Amino acid sequence: SAVISQKPSRDICQRGTSLTIQCQVDSQVTMMFWYRQQPGQSLTLIATANQGSEATYESGFVIDKFPISRPNLTFSTLTVSNMSPEDSSIYLCSVGGLGNTIYFGEGSWLTVV
Amino acid sequence: EDKVVQSPLSLVVHEGDTVTLNCSYEVTNFRSLLWYKQEKKAPTFLFMLTSSGIEKKSGRLSSILDKKELFSILNITATQTGDSAVYLCGKCLQGGSEKLVFGKGTKLTVNP
Repeated sequence: SAVISQKPSRDICQRGTSLTIQCQVDSQVTMMFWYRQQPGQSLTLIATANQGSEATYESGFVIDKFPISRPNLTFSTLTVSNMSPEDSSIYLCSVGGLGNTIYFGEGSWLTVV
Repeated sequence: EDKVVQSPLSLVVHEGDTVTLNCSYEVTNFRSLLWYKQEKKAPTFLFMLTSSGIEKKSGRLSSILDKKELFSILNITATQTGDSAVYLCGKCLQGGSEKLVFGKGTKLTVNP
Protein backbone atom coordinates (compact mmCIF):
# COMPACT_ATOMS: atom_id res chain seq x y z
CA SER A 1 0.00 0.00 0.00
CA ALA A 2 0.94 3.65 -0.17
CA VAL A 3 0.40 6.58 2.14
CA ILE A 4 -0.27 9.78 0.22
CA SER A 5 -0.19 13.15 1.97
CA GLN A 6 -1.64 16.24 0.39
CA LYS A 7 -1.23 19.84 1.52
CA PRO A 8 -3.20 21.96 2.04
CA SER A 9 -6.23 19.88 2.92
CA ARG A 10 -8.46 22.90 2.55
CA ASP A 11 -8.06 26.52 1.51
CA ILE A 12 -10.10 29.58 0.64
CA CYS A 13 -8.47 31.79 -1.96
CA GLN A 14 -9.13 35.11 -3.62
CA ARG A 15 -9.87 35.11 -7.32
CA GLY A 16 -6.88 35.98 -9.45
CA THR A 17 -4.38 34.36 -7.08
CA SER A 18 -2.57 31.05 -7.44
CA LEU A 19 -2.33 28.08 -5.10
CA THR A 20 0.18 25.24 -5.10
CA ILE A 21 -0.93 21.84 -3.83
CA GLN A 22 1.67 19.33 -2.70
CA CYS A 23 1.52 15.55 -2.89
CA GLN A 24 3.98 13.39 -0.97
CA VAL A 25 4.08 9.59 -1.23
CA ASP A 26 5.79 7.33 1.28
CA SER A 27 7.37 5.16 -1.44
CA GLN A 28 8.81 5.66 -4.88
CA VAL A 29 6.17 5.46 -7.60
CA THR A 30 6.44 5.65 -11.34
CA MET A 31 2.99 7.11 -11.95
CA MET A 32 1.49 10.16 -10.32
CA PHE A 33 -1.74 11.79 -11.47
CA TRP A 34 -3.77 14.86 -10.63
CA TYR A 35 -7.57 14.77 -10.71
CA ARG A 36 -10.21 17.41 -10.18
CA GLN A 37 -13.65 16.83 -8.69
CA GLN A 38 -16.01 19.74 -9.10
CA PRO A 39 -18.98 19.99 -6.70
CA GLY A 40 -21.42 17.14 -7.27
CA GLN A 41 -19.34 15.72 -10.11
CA SER A 42 -17.11 12.74 -10.62
CA LEU A 43 -13.33 12.79 -10.91
CA THR A 44 -11.70 14.14 -14.04
CA LEU A 45 -8.05 13.59 -14.86
CA ILE A 46 -6.08 16.82 -15.25
CA ALA A 47 -2.65 15.44 -16.09
CA THR A 48 -0.03 12.77 -15.57
CA ALA A 49 2.99 14.03 -13.65
CA ASN A 50 6.09 12.58 -15.28
CA GLN A 51 9.36 12.44 -13.40
CA GLY A 52 12.10 14.19 -15.30
CA SER A 53 9.91 15.54 -18.08
CA GLU A 54 6.91 17.77 -18.65
CA ALA A 55 3.50 16.66 -17.47
CA THR A 56 1.05 15.18 -19.95
CA TYR A 57 -2.24 17.09 -19.94
CA GLU A 58 -5.70 15.81 -20.80
CA SER A 59 -7.98 17.54 -23.21
CA GLY A 60 -9.32 20.76 -21.74
CA PHE A 61 -6.42 21.32 -19.36
CA VAL A 62 -3.32 23.39 -20.13
CA ILE A 63 0.07 23.90 -18.54
CA ASP A 64 -0.36 27.66 -18.11
CA LYS A 65 -3.42 27.12 -15.92
CA PHE A 66 -2.25 23.98 -14.10
CA PRO A 67 1.55 23.85 -14.00
CA ILE A 68 2.85 20.63 -12.48
CA SER A 69 6.21 19.69 -11.05
CA ARG A 70 7.60 16.20 -10.40
CA PRO A 71 11.12 16.62 -9.07
CA ASN A 72 11.49 13.03 -7.85
CA LEU A 73 9.66 9.71 -7.52
CA THR A 74 7.87 10.58 -4.27
CA PHE A 75 6.70 14.17 -4.73
CA SER A 76 4.63 16.32 -7.06
CA THR A 77 2.96 19.72 -7.00
CA LEU A 78 -0.04 21.09 -8.86
CA THR A 79 -0.53 24.85 -9.13
CA VAL A 80 -3.95 26.31 -9.89
CA SER A 81 -3.16 29.64 -11.51
CA ASN A 82 -5.19 32.84 -11.78
CA MET A 83 -8.07 31.24 -9.95
CA SER A 84 -11.74 31.92 -10.58
CA PRO A 85 -14.79 30.60 -8.70
CA GLU A 86 -15.09 27.87 -11.38
CA ASP A 87 -11.84 26.40 -10.02
CA SER A 88 -13.52 25.60 -6.70
CA SER A 89 -13.07 21.85 -6.50
CA ILE A 90 -11.41 19.02 -4.70
CA TYR A 91 -8.00 18.34 -6.22
CA LEU A 92 -6.76 14.79 -5.74
CA CYS A 93 -3.36 13.25 -6.20
CA SER A 94 -3.27 9.62 -7.32
CA VAL A 95 -0.46 7.10 -7.63
CA GLY A 96 -0.09 3.89 -9.56
CA GLY A 97 2.59 1.34 -10.31
CA LEU A 98 2.05 -0.35 -6.95
CA GLY A 99 0.52 -3.62 -8.02
CA ASN A 100 -3.19 -4.06 -8.44
CA THR A 101 -4.32 -0.83 -6.85
CA ILE A 102 -4.42 2.85 -7.67
CA TYR A 103 -4.38 5.01 -4.56
CA PHE A 104 -5.72 8.47 -3.89
CA GLY A 105 -4.61 11.14 -1.48
CA GLU A 106 -7.02 12.77 0.95
CA GLY A 107 -7.64 15.61 -1.45
CA SER A 108 -7.31 19.38 -1.26
CA TRP A 109 -10.59 21.26 -1.03
CA LEU A 110 -10.26 24.62 -2.75
CA THR A 111 -12.84 27.40 -2.56
CA VAL A 112 -12.29 30.51 -4.66
CA VAL A 113 -14.12 33.64 -3.58
CA GLU B 1 -14.37 7.04 -26.60
CA ASP B 2 -13.45 6.20 -23.02
CA LYS B 3 -16.91 6.39 -21.49
CA VAL B 4 -18.07 4.89 -18.21
CA VAL B 5 -21.75 4.91 -17.27
CA GLN B 6 -23.01 4.12 -13.80
CA SER B 7 -26.55 3.41 -12.73
CA PRO B 8 -28.52 4.27 -10.81
CA LEU B 9 -27.15 7.73 -10.04
CA SER B 10 -28.86 7.71 -6.69
CA LEU B 11 -30.34 5.02 -4.48
CA VAL B 12 -32.04 5.11 -1.09
CA VAL B 13 -32.50 1.88 0.86
CA HIS B 14 -33.14 0.68 4.40
CA GLU B 15 -30.63 -1.06 6.58
CA GLY B 16 -30.49 -4.75 5.82
CA ASP B 17 -31.39 -4.38 2.16
CA THR B 18 -29.19 -5.74 -0.61
CA VAL B 19 -28.15 -3.37 -3.38
CA THR B 20 -26.64 -3.83 -6.82
CA LEU B 21 -24.77 -0.99 -8.47
CA ASN B 22 -24.07 -1.09 -12.19
CA CYS B 23 -21.19 0.11 -14.32
CA SER B 24 -20.91 -0.18 -18.09
CA TYR B 25 -17.94 0.90 -20.17
CA GLU B 26 -16.63 1.34 -23.69
CA VAL B 27 -14.35 -1.46 -24.85
CA THR B 28 -11.63 0.77 -26.34
CA ASN B 29 -8.38 0.94 -24.39
CA PHE B 30 -9.72 -1.28 -21.62
CA ARG B 31 -7.22 -2.63 -19.15
CA SER B 32 -9.16 -3.08 -15.90
CA LEU B 33 -12.12 -1.77 -13.93
CA LEU B 34 -11.85 -0.36 -10.43
CA TRP B 35 -14.47 0.36 -7.79
CA TYR B 36 -14.03 3.02 -5.11
CA LYS B 37 -16.08 4.23 -2.15
CA GLN B 38 -16.06 7.98 -1.53
CA GLU B 39 -17.49 9.20 1.75
CA LYS B 40 -15.96 12.61 2.28
CA LYS B 41 -12.92 13.40 0.21
CA ALA B 42 -10.57 10.64 -0.83
CA PRO B 43 -11.93 7.66 -2.78
CA THR B 44 -10.97 4.46 -0.99
CA PHE B 45 -10.15 1.46 -3.10
CA LEU B 46 -12.57 -1.49 -3.11
CA PHE B 47 -11.81 -3.80 -6.05
CA MET B 48 -9.83 -4.09 -9.23
CA LEU B 49 -11.28 -6.39 -11.91
CA THR B 50 -9.43 -7.59 -14.97
CA SER B 51 -10.88 -11.01 -15.78
CA SER B 52 -14.45 -11.94 -16.66
CA GLY B 53 -16.54 -14.07 -14.35
CA ILE B 54 -14.26 -14.03 -11.32
CA GLU B 55 -16.06 -12.64 -8.31
CA LYS B 56 -14.08 -10.57 -5.85
CA LYS B 57 -15.35 -10.39 -2.30
CA SER B 58 -14.59 -8.31 0.75
CA GLY B 59 -16.98 -8.86 3.63
CA ARG B 60 -20.46 -7.83 2.53
CA LEU B 61 -19.20 -6.36 -0.73
CA SER B 62 -18.60 -8.28 -3.92
CA SER B 63 -18.00 -7.40 -7.53
CA ILE B 64 -17.77 -9.13 -10.88
CA LEU B 65 -16.82 -8.17 -14.41
CA ASP B 66 -18.39 -9.26 -17.70
CA LYS B 67 -15.99 -8.39 -20.51
CA LYS B 68 -18.32 -9.73 -23.18
CA GLU B 69 -21.23 -7.50 -22.20
CA LEU B 70 -18.89 -4.71 -21.02
CA PHE B 71 -20.24 -4.18 -17.54
CA SER B 72 -19.51 -4.73 -13.89
CA ILE B 73 -21.71 -4.89 -10.81
CA LEU B 74 -20.99 -4.10 -7.20
CA ASN B 75 -23.18 -5.90 -4.68
CA ILE B 76 -23.61 -4.90 -1.07
CA THR B 77 -25.56 -7.28 1.15
CA ALA B 78 -27.12 -6.52 4.54
CA THR B 79 -26.48 -2.82 4.06
CA GLN B 80 -25.58 -0.62 7.03
CA THR B 81 -25.78 3.15 7.49
CA GLY B 82 -21.98 3.20 7.20
CA ASP B 83 -22.32 2.05 3.61
CA SER B 84 -23.81 5.43 2.72
CA ALA B 85 -21.38 6.95 0.23
CA VAL B 86 -20.79 7.65 -3.43
CA TYR B 87 -19.54 4.56 -5.24
CA LEU B 88 -17.29 5.29 -8.19
CA CYS B 89 -16.46 3.00 -11.07
CA GLY B 90 -13.30 3.76 -13.04
CA LYS B 91 -11.92 2.26 -16.21
CA CYS B 92 -8.15 1.92 -16.27
CA LEU B 93 -6.72 2.51 -19.71
CA GLN B 94 -4.19 0.49 -21.62
CA GLY B 95 -0.86 1.83 -22.80
CA GLY B 96 1.40 1.63 -19.79
CA SER B 97 -0.40 4.36 -17.91
CA GLU B 98 -2.67 3.82 -14.94
CA LYS B 99 -4.95 6.76 -15.46
CA LEU B 100 -8.64 6.28 -14.80
CA VAL B 101 -11.80 7.41 -16.52
CA PHE B 102 -14.62 7.59 -13.99
CA GLY B 103 -18.35 7.34 -14.20
CA LYS B 104 -20.56 9.90 -12.46
CA GLY B 105 -20.91 7.64 -9.43
CA THR B 106 -23.87 6.18 -7.57
CA LYS B 107 -24.91 7.96 -4.41
CA LEU B 108 -26.13 5.34 -1.94
CA THR B 109 -28.06 6.37 1.14
CA VAL B 110 -28.81 3.69 3.73
CA ASN B 111 -31.48 4.74 6.23
CA PRO B 112 -31.80 3.13 9.65
